[in-house]
Amino acid sequence: VQLVQSGTEVKRPGASVKISCKASGYTFTSHYVHWVRQAPGQGPEWLGIMHPSTDSRTYAQNFQDRIIMTSDMSASTVYMELSNLRSDDTAVYYCARDVSAITMVRANWFDPWGQGTLVSVSP
Amino acid sequence: SYELTQPPSVSVSPGLTARITCSGDALPTQFASWYQQKPGQAPVLVIYRDNERPSEIPERFSGSRSGTTVTLTISGVQTEDEGDYYCQSADNSGSYVLFGGGTKLTVL
Repeated sequence: VQLVQSGTEVKRPGASVKISCKASGYTFTSHYVHWVRQAPGQGPEWLGIMHPSTDSRTYAQNFQDRIIMTSDMSASTVYMELSNLRSDDTAVYYCARDVSAITMVRANWFDPWGQGTLVSVSP
Repeated sequence: SYELTQPPSVSVSPGLTARITCSGDALPTQFASWYQQKPGQAPVLVIYRDNERPSEIPERFSGSRSGTTVTLTISGVQTEDEGDYYCQSADNSGSYVLFGGGTKLTVL
């Protein structure tokens, strides 16, 4: 089981970033995928969750107006787009698989995680 | 807002037992998980559903719960166990996930 994310992104304030997370080694449509970020020296912060084969999504309240999660089942890939970037969005962004394989049931714990994508936002 | 509270740091000598606590008002209604993170690496699940351990995680890692507090116990701590540990759970509805602030484990 593996999640492989896209590479480092450098963005200006106000721009958008879209990160990909390609899954392999398991049935892509059976598991929810979470997105988590970690600012330098800080703990993880949950951004939201989506199910790859349905429209089921839940976004963290702090991000609901500027985050979009999508999926491409043909490519076994999920995407997270964050818009209107600010300097405090600088962080490593992770995707992580929810361990539950029961249809439309979340376990709310994560295994495995992707390797992380550094997003740097500066003028 | 709902929070999970951890001590910022715990120090322990090799071979002894380390205990890291995590407190939160919604913990009685939601399972907790624990993650280990080493510098420059993604977090790794070490305990889920309060006290279950993935097969690849050493038996010295265990979890327990008492009311609004969950505890990660590492028995016979080894130098390789140094790192940051994060508890994780969800709000009462199970819809929103949250993490504790993290505990830095130092093996002296």
